[in-house]
Amino acid sequence: GAVVSQHPSRVICKSGTSVKIECRSLDFQATTMFWYRQFPKQSLMLMATSNEGSKATYEQGVEKDKFLINHASLTLSTLTVTSAHPEDSSFYICSAPGTSGGYSSYNEQFFGPGTRLTVL
Amino acid sequence: GQNIDQPTEMTATEGAIVQINCTYQTSGFNGLFWYQQHAGEAPTFLSYNVLDGLEEKGRFSSFLSRSKGYSYLLLKELQMKDSASYLCAVRDSNYQLIWGAGTKLIIKP
Repeated sequence: GAVVSQHPSRVICKSGTSVKIECRSLDFQATTMFWYRQFPKQSLMLMATSNEGSKATYEQGVEKDKFLINHASLTLSTLTVTSAHPEDSSFYICSAPGTSGGYSSYNEQFFGPGTRLTVL
Repeated sequence: GQNIDQPTEMTATEGAIVQINCTYQTSGFNGLFWYQQHAGEAPTFLSYNVLDGLEEKGRFSSFLSRSKGYSYLLLKELQMKDSASYLCAVRDSNYQLIWGAGTKLIIKP
């Protein structure tokens, strides 16, 4: 199946700093990627939909100036948490609709392994 | 509003069978997914149903009734490694995934 990687897997940063998380589709092209946040013992919360070559679509309540998303190529989307605060500490997961053959389909979401962000 | 309900936690015995239910009310329907998520890890795909009926895949089966807004995930011959959270997600008319809160399954020897 399709593989999605995320980097870094863990990051600890000081309050006020910015953190960039990368999401890559390794063996397929993803015109769309999704960014989720998951707090302990809670379900996935969609933050935004990243679209290659255009602006991301943010969910209600998600600050687009704080969570910057860039989808510069068909295999890479980045999420930058700007001026991070302790309340931003969470598990961030990206996903992409995946299939074989190099093009996205919508039958399955392939998830990256997630990034554990801890803001001190 | 859109809503997906599933039990918070279930306990079962190794070797037994367990059924995890999911009911949903969404704006449109374009498929239902079940994912498995071990603690601290990302979800992994288990099954996809878009038509009514039962989809069997090894020890795991998933059932869908669109008229009832209902699905279940059936796990047979439970193994200790099946201890995880099981997430039900429905794709709505906008092709957006709506996630349930997940069911934590605890397997006891």
